[in-house]
Amino acid sequence: SAVISQKPSRDICQRGTSLTIQCQVDSQVTMMFWYRQQPGQSLTLIATANQGSEATYESGFVIDKFPISRPNLTFSTLTVSNMSPEDSSIYLCSVVRDSSTIYFGEGSWLTVV
Amino acid sequence: DAKTTQPTSMDCAEGRAANLPCNHSTISGNEYVYWYRQIHSQGPQYIIHGLKNNETNEMASLIITEDRKSSTLILPHATLRDTAVYYCIVRAPNSGYALNFGKGTSLLVTP
Repeated sequence: SAVISQKPSRDICQRGTSLTIQCQVDSQVTMMFWYRQQPGQSLTLIATANQGSEATYESGFVIDKFPISRPNLTFSTLTVSNMSPEDSSIYLCSVVRDSSTIYFGEGSWLTVV
Repeated sequence: DAKTTQPTSMDCAEGRAANLPCNHSTISGNEYVYWYRQIHSQGPQYIIHGLKNNETNEMASLIITEDRKSSTLILPHATLRDTAVYYCIVRAPNSGYALNFGKGTSLLVTP
């Protein structure tokens, strides 16, 4: 399995501001991802966080809105920029281990007012 | 990834076995069956996965039919803390990570 810690666990933010979410994994992993789960919806993959290079974004997500850093094999950050109420979601960090099994962090619940 | 079908909701009495079914009739030969659960407002928790043999771990058992078109997740002695939404996913290793969790089954464990 994997121990994945996210900070903050939840926050209430003013529209127009930005928030950075941190993800720390208990040991080195090659593949790390960021997902979003809007209220009542399934998970949506935002991007793959690549160590040492720019993140790979899924269709509909751009670097200016969701900049991602991955300075090493155990840590990543996701910033939600210029927030609007539509950005209110649970943001999830995940890693791949054990022959392609995906593990998720506890999530960061963001409410934009 | 193959599509899955799960009942919308189920109830189970505390201490009894919870049997959660999943249909995946279009599963391919290299696709695994994964189960996750999500407690309100938390990240999905991995439970178990299998290819064609039955699997058991400390959390649950996974029974996959011989034709692999359906499976059942078994929580042998359900507790109140097992109340969650349970998701069955079918995917092949290294097939991509844009997971479709669908609606899952909302399991309510009652005292």
